[in-house]
Amino acid sequence: KAGVTQTPRYLIKTRGQQVTLSCSPISGHRSVSWYQQTPGQGLQFLFEYFSETQRNKGNFPGRFSGRQFSNSRSEMNVSTLELGDSALYLCASSLEASPNEQFFGPGTRLTVL
Amino acid sequence: GESVGLHLPTLSVQEGDNSIINCAYSNSASDYFIWYKQESGKGPQFIIDIRSNMDKRQGQRVTVLLNKTVKHLSLQIAATQPGDSAVYFCAENPTTDSSYKLIFGSGTRLLVRP
Repeated sequence: KAGVTQTPRYLIKTRGQQVTLSCSPISGHRSVSWYQQTPGQGLQFLFEYFSETQRNKGNFPGRFSGRQFSNSRSEMNVSTLELGDSALYLCASSLEASPNEQFFGPGTRLTVL
Repeated sequence: GESVGLHLPTLSVQEGDNSIINCAYSNSASDYFIWYKQESGKGPQFIIDIRSNMDKRQGQRVTVLLNKTVKHLSLQIAATQPGDSAVYFCAENPTTDSSYKLIFGSGTRLLVRP
């Protein structure tokens, strides 16, 4: 069974640009969550989607958005990139609606210059 | 991820010894807790979870203890092996419904001495 896949794995952008990251959950998983990981702030929750609906959102500005498609694949978008957005962006998927094992992908390393 | 914090607390143990990693959580309403292991260059890997109606849960070589009175979690690893070297995170889920909104601790780096 394939794990959570994230594309691209590495990305370099410049300030002011926008970026879209993609996450394919494990087959059959309907919950997808996104996290930002930085050395200074650690792992921080961005948002969670279940059956195409955003159920929870973390404390990030509106420049961070996401969506989930009918096949459970998810994308997150960051507009007007800032230097501080440089981070590892992690996606995790889960099988059931109730909190259960979340399986993480390898992450997308975003560098903003 | 490759870098999870330059100033993480570090626990150094001898191979074969038991390890205990501690974590304080913040929200008394949290009812679900998870321990993750993160190796360099990889995403966090689920180790074990526990719900708030339990105070102990055992897995293979790992045990999680939950003390709700003082909002404290611990992860015990028996017979620590070199492959256990990683950063360990606790996470709590403070939602009151079935959704996710995990709050992660800052992490502890475990170093296993051969």
